[in-house]
Amino acid sequence: GAVVSQHPSRVICKSGTSVKIECRSLDFQATTMFWYRQFPKKSLMLMATSNEGSKATYEQGVEKDKFLINHASLTLSTLTVTSAHPEDSSFYICSARPPSRGAYNEQFFGPGTRLTVL
Amino acid sequence: QQQVKQSPQSLIVQKGGIPIINCAYENTAFDYFPWYQQFPGKGPALLIAIRPDVSEKKEGRFTISFNKSAKQFSLHIMDSQPGDSATYFCAASWRGATNKLIFGTGTLLAVQP
Repeated sequence: GAVVSQHPSRVICKSGTSVKIECRSLDFQATTMFWYRQFPKKSLMLMATSNEGSKATYEQGVEKDKFLINHASLTLSTLTVTSAHPEDSSFYICSARPPSRGAYNEQFFGPGTRLTVL
Repeated sequence: QQQVKQSPQSLIVQKGGIPIINCAYENTAFDYFPWYQQFPGKGPALLIAIRPDVSEKKEGRFTISFNKSAKQFSLHIMDSQPGDSATYFCAASWRGATNKLIFGTGTLLAVQP
């Protein structure tokens, strides 16, 4: 149980285009999902907290208009990188928290999406 | 106050050795301390987690030791294997569904055959 998937696993796009990344909780409903960004050999950097049915909460320094998050249902959150530029190239990872875990913040991560902007 | 300090940055051990990774925190409101294992190009996988009401937790070859008074916790990997070679992240959080995980900086572990 507690499986999280991401699609696509890899994407290459041209500068100026938009890219959508999907995060799905496969065997549980997640009212809250999280989006992270990870640079090579670095730790995970939380970008935003995605809440089903409401606006995402962005971390300081993360551009809301560039990284659009939509938590469309209890099993799906999407991250859209708008007008992507080479500096947006990174490894994007989502996580989700199963409600049965109680109040503790136990998160399960997806396999990540490697974005390369040419 | 929200930082989690992790050491060492990298670690090399021989097969069968016991690597130890340490983390320290300042925020006494933290009440959940997980460890994640990450292989290259993959997402982190939850390995083991502890809550501050216990001082030690074992799951298979992985053990967390927790020192509440010192605000430190550590991961021990017994009988380490080459397949354990990965990056390990400690994290901390406080109770609540939308509360963040605060991650350490990671430890790159290499277990040599």
